[in-house]
Amino acid sequence: EVQLVESGGDLVQPGGSLRLSCVASGFTFSDYTLIWVRQAPGKGLEWISYITSTSGTIYYADSVKGRFTISRDNAKNSLYLQMNSLRHEDTAVYYCAREKKWEVRGGYYSDYWGRGTLVTVSS
Amino acid sequence: EIVLTQSPATLSLSPGERATLSCRASQSVGSYLAWYQKKAGQAPRLLIYDASNRATGIPARFSGSGSGTDFTLTISSLEPEDFGVYYCQQRYGWPSLFGGGTKVEIK
Repeated sequence: EVQLVESGGDLVQPGGSLRLSCVASGFTFSDYTLIWVRQAPGKGLEWISYITSTSGTIYYADSVKGRFTISRDNAKNSLYLQMNSLRHEDTAVYYCAREKKWEVRGGYYSDYWGRGTLVTVSS
Repeated sequence: EIVLTQSPATLSLSPGERATLSCRASQSVGSYLAWYQKKAGQAPRLLIYDASNRATGIPARFSGSGSGTDFTLTISSLEPEDFGVYYCQQRYGWPSLFGGGTKVEIK
């Protein structure tokens, strides 16, 4: 069974740092691209970062660029999100997800998601 | 960046009714569009990928259509478990934005 389990969410002061982890099981982790998505309280889903299987390609949303760093350790089946210079507006549930492509000419879509970890930025 | 606009913002329907949700892109995304269901306290669930393909385990009452800039998610007959918020997401270009969501609520 495919599972993704996030951890590391906490209450942190503005300007602080936090490192989120996502541990995967039930599939060959090193074969898949992974992403982080967040949802602020009462708001919609926001895609924030993307990393390919070998970490060769990485993208960030403008809202987190320069402050967040995505990484992975394929030997540990783990995805990470280092979050620095945190702001009130970073308060959200953070989800990791696996990307899959079904059709040769199709796109990549998030077929499995974790249950999320809550990050609260407040003084 | 490609902006997705979903309508309506809220859809109030009764079980058994048909739901039609719209997603419009600010520029063509081809067929690179997905639909997700999100319920409070739960992870998002992929329903439709590449605009019209149902993901694994998704009931046949869910269907997607469209290409280019206009897309539709149809739920042919609402079940009680279908109430929640639905998001479209384009996978044509970066950033891979989501639409603002359509809340499907019980009337």
